[in-house]
Amino acid sequence: AQTVTQSQPEMSVQEAETVTLSCTYDTSESDYYLFWYKQPPSRQMILVIRQEAYKQQNATENRFSVNFQKAAKSFSLKISDSQLGDAAMYFCAYRSASGGSNYKLTFGKGTLLTVNP
Amino acid sequence: GAGVSQSPRYKVTKRGQDVALRCDPISGHVSLYWYRQALGQGPEFLTYFNYEAQQDKSGLPNDRFSAERPEGSISTLTIQRTEQRDSAMYRCASSYGPPGQGRSGNTIYFGEGSWLTVV
Repeated sequence: AQTVTQSQPEMSVQEAETVTLSCTYDTSESDYYLFWYKQPPSRQMILVIRQEAYKQQNATENRFSVNFQKAAKSFSLKISDSQLGDAAMYFCAYRSASGGSNYKLTFGKGTLLTVNP
Repeated sequence: GAGVSQSPRYKVTKRGQDVALRCDPISGHVSLYWYRQALGQGPEFLTYFNYEAQQDKSGLPNDRFSAERPEGSISTLTIQRTEQRDSAMYRCASSYGPPGQGRSGNTIYFGEGSWLTVV
């Protein structure tokens, strides 16, 4: 079974600075997707960024980018020019791209990000 | 609808009562998922529907939990004889097609969840 580990329960960053959230995962599969979801105080679950494992290029969405290291099974999220609205719980998630359970998302426990003005 | 809609948003029930949580997915989405999220944890998979067919219910904790989607649209998650350990947020999600369809995979959209407190 796949597992997702977020080793940082909490992180803080100054407004306008850069912060990196860590995520590692364990899988024997070669084809899969990785995601970062944001959960603000409103408790919505918002997709921030997605990475396909077969792509070598790291995904980027505006101020959000990932560092995907497939061999190391590492998938970190970098937030540049942090804004107060970035304060939230961030979840890393894994989904198989094939096989019988490719509909399941496996989540980490989350990292609570605080942005200081 | 514009997004995944869940009701009720908050539910407090007494131990031993049955509760039903409703999910209205995004219009046209054929795949529907239920997840449970305990405080301080990430969501955990409960069950998955493709149209009206329940393809996987392996994540349901025990036989007090059941889900249905009789017409392939709205889904109901029912918890019978609730216990305090059932207290959590129950999230519904939907996607346009079955995951894995196409290389990009279908984006899964989550509802805002139903908070259940069992007292």
